[in-house]
Amino acid sequence: GESVGLHLPTLSVQEGDNSIINCAYSNSASDYFIWYKQESGKGPQFIIDIRSNMDKRQGQRVTVLLNKTVKHLSLQIAATQPGDSAVYFCAENTGGTSYGKLTFGQGTILTVHP
Amino acid sequence: NAGVTQTPKFQVLKTGQSMTLQCAQDMNHEYMSWYRQDPGMGLRLIHYSVGAGITDQGEVPNGYNVSRSTTEDFPLRLLSAAPSQTSVYFCASSPDRAQETQYFGPGTRLLVL
Repeated sequence: GESVGLHLPTLSVQEGDNSIINCAYSNSASDYFIWYKQESGKGPQFIIDIRSNMDKRQGQRVTVLLNKTVKHLSLQIAATQPGDSAVYFCAENTGGTSYGKLTFGQGTILTVHP
Repeated sequence: NAGVTQTPKFQVLKTGQSMTLQCAQDMNHEYMSWYRQDPGMGLRLIHYSVGAGITDQGEVPNGYNVSRSTTEDFPLRLLSAAPSQTSVYFCASSPDRAQETQYFGPGTRLLVL
């Protein structure tokens, strides 16, 4: 039978489309959030972060939205490119910016078709 | 700068064997961490260090030891390998307490038979 956690959520998009990747976090006390990108065979790479006193933050082609009411985080990627294909993780920090307190989500696989 | 380096890239162990996963960084970062990543799951923190001589446990420390005798190196020791420790291990470093400046190594894939 299937084991919980072995099947990641997946998102398939066409090149040029906008992508939205969602994350539900668990701890209402979390006050800092990060999105990471992990390409096959590599370590996670920081994309963008947001603190709990904000509800939106923009970077280059990426936007993170935070809804503390429903404990939901999303990553929007504009004009998605094949190079954006990867696993995307959200992470929450219950210790402010204190090191070693990140809790990672299971990840979402993004596939971009040319 | 080489950044964060990890060796070996891949290792096969038999149950009960011990080994050390090496991690080194040449960026003079104070903060270093070890994570494990299991299929379909996010990273889980094993141990971390906020400076030479200082280590602390993370979420899943059992079966692992660490030491931090120098700023550059943060080895992870498996005392008696078990199949449950089959995973991909990532080392990370950061120059300060800010999580957004954390750099990850390329990972070590470990298979315990």
